[in-house]
Amino acid sequence: QKEVEQDPGPLSVPEGAIVSLNCTYSNSAFQYFMWYRQYSRKGPELLMYTYSSGNKEDGRFTAQVDKSSKYISLFIRDSQPSDSATYLCAMKGTSYGKLTFGQGTILTVHP
Amino acid sequence: DGGITQSPKYLFRKEGQNVTLSCEQNLNHDAMYWYRQDPGQGLRLIYYSQIVNDFQKGDIAEGYSVSREKKESFPLTVTSAQKNPTAFYLCASSDDITPQSTDTQYFGPGTRLTVL
Repeated sequence: QKEVEQDPGPLSVPEGAIVSLNCTYSNSAFQYFMWYRQYSRKGPELLMYTYSSGNKEDGRFTAQVDKSSKYISLFIRDSQPSDSATYLCAMKGTSYGKLTFGQGTILTVHP
Repeated sequence: DGGITQSPKYLFRKEGQNVTLSCEQNLNHDAMYWYRQDPGQGLRLIYYSQIVNDFQKGDIAEGYSVSREKKESFPLTVTSAQKNPTAFYLCASSDDITPQSTDTQYFGPGTRLTVL
């Protein structure tokens, strides 16, 4: 069983829809949680990171962490075609240099 | 303009050849990382380095080698011992390597390696 599970999709939604992306994890040592966005043939770029359980909002993006359920989510409101990308969750415990990534979810927002 | 550069963008290798992928950063970051990305498998850590002249194996180090002679450079060599090297290779760096940090990693644009 992988430490981090993420539904690879693909996920296709109409413009303006609310998108929900999710990851589950099994390692209780994970303390830091990140979401990266990766456009085709590009390197990932950091969207959001959170430490504690609860919600963190940044513009149209909301990251949610539920440590008791070992479940994290990224919500995208008013989705745009420019949001079409692969979204990767990543998480870290307290050891050095070790981010564990989910498989990535491919999202397409069509006009 | 700070960032991470990787070269070349595309690389073709014949079976049995070693190839070296370049990664340079001007962010003054201490830590650097190499990942491999395959379709449907996310990113897997090959090697990382927290400081000059020191590096550690990641989850899939077999068939790869690295060096860290300068803070800004972390080249990756894909050797002939790597059985399935065709993949997208990503280099990253981080400015905070303490255990309690978020270890936010910033990525380069990647190198796509194809074995012919």
